[in-house]
Amino acid sequence: GAVVSQHPSWVICKSGTSVKIECRSLDFQATTMFWYRQFPKQSLMLMATSNEGSKATYEQGVEKDKFLINHASLTLSTLTVTSAHPEDSSFYICSARQGSGKNIQYFGAGTRLSVL
Amino acid sequence: QKEVEQNSGPLSVPEGAIASLNCTYSDRGSQSFFWYRQYSGKSPELIMSIYSNGDKEDGRFTAQLNKASQYVSLLIRDSQPSDSATYLCAVNVGGGADGLTFGKGTHLIIQP
Repeated sequence: GAVVSQHPSWVICKSGTSVKIECRSLDFQATTMFWYRQFPKQSLMLMATSNEGSKATYEQGVEKDKFLINHASLTLSTLTVTSAHPEDSSFYICSARQGSGKNIQYFGAGTRLSVL
Repeated sequence: QKEVEQNSGPLSVPEGAIASLNCTYSDRGSQSFFWYRQYSGKSPELIMSIYSNGDKEDGRFTAQLNKASQYVSLLIRDSQPSDSATYLCAVNVGGGADGLTFGKGTHLIIQP
């Protein structure tokens, strides 16, 4: 399968600071990437769809000004959690879609964010 | 509201037996269906994808789809202790641009 790299894998930050997470498709171009969040013992919830060269599409209830997404190239999307608070602590996972039509998504390793 | 339902388990299966995992979905317009395996603290790993009614086999895994019943299942033959994980059912409604809607997952335990 295709390889998606995500880092950092773990970050601890103070409340009020911002954290940037990178997601890269290593061996394919991804016009569309997705950002998910997973709280303990819950399933993955889609936060936003990131499209190269255009604004991200956010799911209902996800604050676009808090979770800034940039998809500047066909292999890189970034998620910045601005002014993080303890309730933002979660497991953030990106995925990249390879090819068209079948929507097979490959996931990065995830970033565990702990906000103190 | 798109919903994907799974029995959370745990589902305990003896080693060497067949594990059967089930999933139902609410949106009749769903087009693509996936099974992911997730180990604790790790991200999901794609196991199977299925797009049309019937069975699809890949090694020890068989995915089954019944769109009329809005039901998708995963069978794991000759279960191994390394198959112990949470299995996530995921559904895509759109033709490719949409993200996936995940079920909460079934925790599978293979007993040696």
